[in-house]
Amino acid sequence: SQQGEEDPQALSIQEGENATMNCSYKTSINNLQWYRQNSGRGLVHLILIRSNEREKHSGRLRVTLDTSKKSSSLLITASRAADTASYFCATGTFNDYKLSFGAGTTVTVRA
Amino acid sequence: EAGVAQSPRYKIIEKRQSVAFWCNPISGHATLYWYQQILGQGPKLLIQFQNNGVVDDSQLPKDRFSAERLKGVDSTLKIQPAKLEDSAVYLCASSLTGQGVDEQFFGPGTRLTVL
Repeated sequence: SQQGEEDPQALSIQEGENATMNCSYKTSINNLQWYRQNSGRGLVHLILIRSNEREKHSGRLRVTLDTSKKSSSLLITASRAADTASYFCATGTFNDYKLSFGAGTTVTVRA
Repeated sequence: EAGVAQSPRYKIIEKRQSVAFWCNPISGHATLYWYQQILGQGPKLLIQFQNNGVVDDSQLPKDRFSAERLKGVDSTLKIQPAKLEDSAVYLCASSLTGQGVDEQFFGPGTRLTVL
């Protein structure tokens, strides 16, 4: 079963706008990671946030983590056409070393 | 640094046939993962190797799927016999230690179509 669930399932925005997607999970986690997948390609790691962190930045990406609500958000600022992709959250738990992926949010950036 | 290599990129077979996928992880990475990604879903872990030992294969359909990691480097995933529901992208990934907080590096995947 998939631990994380992304919301919304799909998102369409204009170039230059911000895109926000959320991830909710069920059990306590060790860390949460966000990955991007361009059409027909493998996944690319974007950012990792540990359970004792609340916010992290990487370039135009901002990730927040609220362990009390068991949720995370990914914000992409000033979106570009190249940001068109599916975005997945993946959670790592304390009990095992594997990552559990959600079903993803498909983001389309319109020129 | 070379990435994770996979072959073939595409494969079309008929149901009940056999198929094998190959993966070469990033040099020095101890942990290798095989995922199955069905269209519209996130990757599902099939098997995880730490060096050449299996760490987790709880979601591997062992009646038809098998995997091995030779000498703790390359890995092959085999399906025998294939079913229609095996149509998916098979992703290989590797990480440096596999300690659960590692970034995973993914290959381009093999798209399998079972007719």
